[in-house]
Amino acid sequence: KNEVEQSPQNLTAQEGEFITINCSYSVGISALHWLQQHPGGGIVSLFMLSSGKKKHGRLIATINIQEKHSSLHITASHPRDSAVYICAVRYNYGGSQGNLIFGKGTKLSVKP
Amino acid sequence: NAGVTQTPKFRVLKTGQSMTLLCAQDMNHEYMYWYRQDPGMGLRLIHYSVGEGTTAKGEVPDGYNVSRLKKQNFLLGLESAAPSQTSVYFCASRPTPGLAAPGSSYNEQFFGPGTRLTVL
Repeated sequence: KNEVEQSPQNLTAQEGEFITINCSYSVGISALHWLQQHPGGGIVSLFMLSSGKKKHGRLIATINIQEKHSSLHITASHPRDSAVYICAVRYNYGGSQGNLIFGKGTKLSVKP
Repeated sequence: NAGVTQTPKFRVLKTGQSMTLLCAQDMNHEYMYWYRQDPGMGLRLIHYSVGEGTTAKGEVPDGYNVSRLKKQNFLLGLESAAPSQTSVYFCASRPTPGLAAPGSSYNEQFFGPGTRLTVL
């Protein structure tokens, strides 16, 4: 079974700290997504990667295709970054229509 | 554009009752999805559709039915609700591969705000 593993499950940081959330997957993919879910809120897409690195403000996402691993970094963390961060991958194999497989999420809490 | 909307936002049912969740998108997307989200688990795919008039089973389809009579709407039905169906339900949509709008990508998936369902 193709799985998506995230670590850590929970993360508490002090405001200003550099944060890294990791995601690993098992077979070749066509795309990897990082999503953000605020408490009681919906899900928004942060990044979509198929290779390399992307940056948006204080958020950076990287992917290593050979190692089947991706990281989400938050620089100068702020309490408003507190949320659940979800990794999801789109595998390419017959009959799946390329559906997303989701990790269980990483709950981040940034203390002031 | 409103994006992806879901109706209702909250609902409480008694065991055995039926209901329909409505998902609507105004982005002309072909693909639509219904997921459920439970504590300690990742989002799981219930059913999906690759176009008007089509539906297919996902990872956890039992106890649910879906219909896609119009391209913009994807309905999720519970014929006889059970406490195990207490969950938060998310709808999502994405463009057809090769037909994404400029600046977008066929891989990008857009989510609705969710419906919190409790079955007593």
